[in-house]
Amino acid sequence: QVQLQESGPGLVKPSETLSLTCSVSGGSISNYYWSWIRQPAGKRLEWIGRIYSSGSTNYNPSFKSRVTMSVDTSKNQFSLKLISVTAADTAVYYCAKAGTAFDPWGQGTLVTVSS
Amino acid sequence: DIEMTQSPDSLAVSLGERATINCKSSQSVFDSSNNKNFLAWYQQKPGQPPKLLIYWASTRESGVPDRFSGSGSGTDFTLIISRLQAEDVAVYYCQQFFTTPMYTFGQGTKLEIK
Repeated sequence: QVQLQESGPGLVKPSETLSLTCSVSGGSISNYYWSWIRQPAGKRLEWIGRIYSSGSTNYNPSFKSRVTMSVDTSKNQFSLKLISVTAADTAVYYCAKAGTAFDPWGQGTLVTVSS
Repeated sequence: DIEMTQSPDSLAVSLGERATINCKSSQSVFDSSNNKNFLAWYQQKPGQPPKLLIYWASTRESGVPDRFSGSGSGTDFTLIISRLQAEDVAVYYCQQFFTTPMYTFGQGTKLEIK
């Protein structure tokens, strides 16, 4: 079955760029939507955006122009970049397959924004 | 945006008893063109990612025990866990996908054993 795994730095300095990659195994990334979702400690899940295997994207307006997603079908991976981060961006970041609902999810990776 | 509000924020239920979690959306998530409610339920155990339990408000995901059931339509939905077991301790979230691609989640309901 499809499995997802997030990777990237666990610590990012304020004003810098958060970069994460989600590796998909057990199935092809093609012909599906893939999403990033985050969860600040003690808060609700927040959808960041989604990308189709063709590269078409949709983003949560809350992130305005700070977010960019990309896909590399040759590597079966998709990525997230969030610029100008602040402490409020500290959260566990999940990648997930976006079909009828979100399933499956990666294990999540904690990203802390701190100097 | 559609806001999702769950109640209660937390509840404690005895083993073998029924747990009921409610979810209310700020506007209807029912699509009359396909007669479906665009509502999902997830279970999140400590240190784990959310796990999809139910979608279309009442369709159980493959492998999910039948003690989990979802109901409701329009703006009001319910997740029922009958015959509560120890492994059901978790935080439960509802999520709407009516306004795809803008998805929103409820604040979560923490379920504990009494």
